[in-house]
This record gives sequence, C-alpha cells and structure tokens, in this order.
Amino acid sequence: GDSVTQMEGPVTLSEEAFLTINCTYTATGYPSLFWYVQYPGEGLQLLLKATKADDKGSNKGFEATYRKETTSFHLEKGSVQVSDSAVYFCALSSGYSTLTFGKGTMLLVSP
Amino acid sequence: DADVTQTPRNRITKTGKRIMLECSQTKGHDRMYWYRQDPGLGLRLIYYSFDVKDINKGEISDGYSVSRQAQAKFSLSLESAIPNQTALYFCATSDYSTGNTGELFFGEGSRLTVL
Repeated sequence: GDSVTQMEGPVTLSEEAFLTINCTYTATGYPSLFWYVQYPGEGLQLLLKATKADDKGSNKGFEATYRKETTSFHLEKGSVQVSDSAVYFCALSSGYSTLTFGKGTMLLVSP
Repeated sequence: DADVTQTPRNRITKTGKRIMLECSQTKGHDRMYWYRQDPGLGLRLIYYSFDVKDINKGEISDGYSVSRQAQAKFSLSLESAIPNQTALYFCATSDYSTGNTGELFFGEGSRLTVL
C-alpha cells in the first residue's frame, strides 16, 4: 500500500538558517504530493503541492520538487523564521481523494 | 467563523462512555473525513464519506462509527470509549474539483481524553 516516510524531529534551527525536511514515498501509479503545516493549537493547512513529476510546489518561501526517480518530495526553505516553528507533514494522494500522511516533523526555530 | 467547525474542542470522559464528536462545514464540499492524530504516528484515517449516502472505512475504523446527517454534517461516535482512543481528532473536507488532487481543509481538532 501507499506510505510516506519523513525525517524524525525535532529539527532545531536558528533564525535565518537553511531548512530541509526529507520525505520519500511508496505508491502505485502517479500520486499527487503535498506538504501540510500544523501551527500550535491549530488544524493542518496546505502549504504546497505538486501533481506530476518534476513539478515544483512553492509557498511562503518554502518549496519542494516532485522527484519520481528518487520517489522524494523534500521540503526546503532558504531562511527560516521563528514563525515557521510548527509540525510539517508530507502526504500523498493516489486516487479516491484520501491522503496518506507521514508521521510529521516538528521544526523549532530559535531567535 | 471557521469553515470547518468541530465540537467539542476538548472532552474528558471515562472508559465505557459513549462519545460523539461533531463536524459541520460551510464550504459546500461533498467529501468529509475523520482523522486521528497521535504523537509519533501522524494522522490516520478513521472514516470518510464522499456524499450523504456514501460511508467508507479508513485504516483504523474499529471502535468507531460515523453518521453523515447532511452534506454539511459528519459526526464520529465512540460507542464505548477506551483509554487508547485518547487522541486529537480532526475533521476535514474536500470537493470534487480539488479532491482529485487531494487538497483537504481541516477543522481545528477535538482533543479527547479517556480516563
């Protein structure tokens, strides 16, 4: 079945540092890929998505590229802020509109 | 007001009690979902519904039931709560147009503690 593996956290960075959160997946066919973010005390919200190979999703300075050859969708940001502290979830959808989520990676950014 | 509203936001109950978590949405979406979040386990799908007459089990449906009372309302029930059902529960919605790419819209969550 479908599965998503993402790096365990917490990831602790200083403000303005470069961020990478790794995500790899296993799926049949050609899934759509997503990154969701969960701020403290809130529900999840879509951060970015990519629907086909080589697509790059981007939003709020974050970006991720759909790499079919490595089955990966790593999240990156060039300069993190304290306000980026949250839990980040990688997810995929391979039909029927039900998402499969990774376990989440907590990001902590200090001033 | 939130587009996806969950009630209650917090609930503490005892083993064996019946609990209902309710979800209502004003987004006009046809698809609704219940997920459970546990630390270190991510989100796992409990049940989902693509329209009022369609109910489907997710990966962890045992011990839960659902009711789709209307397009806008989808409730989750625990008939006899047990401590390992202590978790954060999320309702989510999507519509057919965005549903094909999988985008979900989440409520703020209902934290349930079973003693």
